[in-house]
Amino acid sequence: DTEVTQTPKHLVMGMTNKKSLKCEQHMGHRAMYWYKQKAKKPPELMFVYSYEKLSINESVPSRFSPECPNSSLLNLHLHALQPEDSALYLCASSPTGTRNTEAFFGQGTRLTVV
Amino acid sequence: AQRVTQPEKLLSVFKGAPVELKCNYSYSGSPELFWYVQYSRQRLQLLLRHISRESIKGFTADLNKGETSFHLKKPFAQEEDSAMYYCAVQGGSEKLVFGKGTKLTVNP
Repeated sequence: DTEVTQTPKHLVMGMTNKKSLKCEQHMGHRAMYWYKQKAKKPPELMFVYSYEKLSINESVPSRFSPECPNSSLLNLHLHALQPEDSALYLCASSPTGTRNTEAFFGQGTRLTVV
Repeated sequence: AQRVTQPEKLLSVFKGAPVELKCNYSYSGSPELFWYVQYSRQRLQLLLRHISRESIKGFTADLNKGETSFHLKKPFAQEEDSAMYYCAVQGGSEKLVFGKGTKLTVNP
């Protein structure tokens, strides 16, 4: 299995809802990432987990809460989002989290906040 | 902090013509440079990285430290090369920063 799988593919949520995005990989990668991509913009890094520990938080608002339950899973918990948070959320993983390793991306979850 | 500039938002060429997608970076140390590609309705994927010095799908990219550039080139473009291309730079950590991307269209 050489894929990063994200669920759900699409999500519509209200501003008072709580929802979670899920990401899974079975490539033995020890670094996992969350990116946010707005329409016609590049992916912007949100969080990096390295060996199941949060190593980078790009000053993301607390309404986004990442979790890495084990080396294969990465969640992004969403609460009290704003309409401007609507975007494509991409998960990625890489072998060691060090430099010069390829990042494998999932297909993304397209989130709409209403 | 690392930064990437891709000056062309859109690039259109005819099939068989040479193509060059420009990328300039800024980083005070020794960066790692990558080109990622996103074909229509497909996930973002690695095309090539500077350390490998390889040619993928006929594309090459040379790191020019003097000009801080990592331009992507292909001598003869094909229609299937039409896609969104992102240059990315990695500094001293796992942080991978993408440029704004260039949408390449290869016309028949």
